Amino acid sequence: DAKTTQPPSMDCAEGRAANLPCNHSTISGNEYVYWYRQIHSQGPQYIIHGLKNNETNEMASLIITEDRKSSTLILPHATLRDTAVYYCIVRAIDSSYKLIFGSGTRLLVRP
Amino acid sequence: NAGVTQTPKFRILKIGQSMTLQCAQDMNHNYMYWYRQDPGMGLKLIYYSVGAGITDKGEVPNGYNVSRSTTEDFPLRLELAAPSQTSVYFCASSYSDRGHTDTQYFGPGTRLTVL
Repeated sequence: DAKTTQPPSMDCAEGRAANLPCNHSTISGNEYVYWYRQIHSQGPQYIIHGLKNNETNEMASLIITEDRKSSTLILPHATLRDTAVYYCIVRAIDSSYKLIFGSGTRLLVRP
Repeated sequence: NAGVTQTPKFRILKIGQSMTLQCAQDMNHNYMYWYRQDPGMGLKLIYYSVGAGITDKGEVPNGYNVSRSTTEDFPLRLELAAPSQTSVYFCASSYSDRGHTDTQYFGPGTRLTVL
């Protein structure tokens, strides 16, 4: 599975959009980009995933660049409850069961 | 649905003691996983199971054993607890069909301290 690179920490103001970047320059054609988050001491929570098209669900939007070497997770209106560690994970959905967690980005939402 | 449940929430063990961490899911998922998370680090896969009666090692299996006698349950056994096993343990499950492995859902975790 491709390695990902994320900034160790970010912050944003409550009510504003939080844009979390992820680099995955060695991603293969059959690998998806997954985002999970972990709120303090809880189990990781699935947010969204995508292959090459942009995706949106009730939690967030995922923007993947055309060359697929990077992506951005967007929380459109961040709340204090979005303070968490966000993990960007790349894996092949048809062959790999594994989720390889890196260190993630610690997002702090400020009041 | 309760999702993925884990017991106990907290446990303190003495070196050399043994214990079983319980994990159950009610989503009829065929895949189940055990991860550990050390302070400030990401999760590491200990063992996984693709169905009842089938288990396999992950990245860090030493010191642990698992069994999968039913679809619902996937207990993790520590035989001789060591301080290096102090960690938070997460169980997860997912559904896989014809090679397509779906999203993993995680339990709330068991915080284990070995003194």
